[in-house]
Amino acid sequence: NAGVTQTPKFQVLKTGQSMTLQCAQDMNHNSMYWYRQDPGMGLRLIYYSASEGTTDKGEVPNGYNVSRLNKREFSLRLESAAPSQTSVYFCASSDLRDQPQHFGDGTRLSIL
Amino acid sequence: GEDVEQSLFLSVREGDSSVINCTYTDSSSTYLYWYKQEPGAGLQLLTYIFSNMDMKQDQRLTVLLNKKDKHLSLRIADTQTGDSAIYFCAEKNSGYALNFGKGTSLLVTP
Repeated sequence: NAGVTQTPKFQVLKTGQSMTLQCAQDMNHNSMYWYRQDPGMGLRLIYYSASEGTTDKGEVPNGYNVSRLNKREFSLRLESAAPSQTSVYFCASSDLRDQPQHFGDGTRLSIL
Repeated sequence: GEDVEQSLFLSVREGDSSVINCTYTDSSSTYLYWYKQEPGAGLQLLTYIFSNMDMKQDQRLTVLLNKKDKHLSLRIADTQTGDSAIYFCAEKNSGYALNFGKGTSLLVTP
């Protein structure tokens, strides 16, 4: 049972490059989320999708866009990467708003 | 968002009990969660408690919630070296986001 799958696991970009982080879940969950994790900061919500066809901003949305492609997939795009976006990115999903969120293994992104 | 506070580091000897503490400030929190993160891995849901409960026990894990003091704790009985990891407390209010603490690094020594 795969759960939440994120690709790629690692990526190095140059400043100004664009990139899309992919996330897919096989639990038939309605809601999906993107977080970033920085040292000493815990996790902060970037964007979320409460259900297929909807997306909303979280705490730190600037510099990112998202697409809820279908119920399974939720992608995060960096249009013009900046060094401040160097982080570990986690995708999560939950069945309903009040159900526990299940996390993928993360994408470690470095921007030079 | 509201702050979730955790101590940064805890060291215990193998076989002892570990207690990781967390305080939160949002009185509208509906659920509170404990996640475990091993090096280079994602967050693994350990357990969670609904805000109208005082205690929840799941094998070696005991969660205590003091809603009046907004204090949450996770007790791990008979701590093993495999329990060494970062433990995150998170609160859930009426919205969609989880509000995470900065994590407590647990080191279990033989």
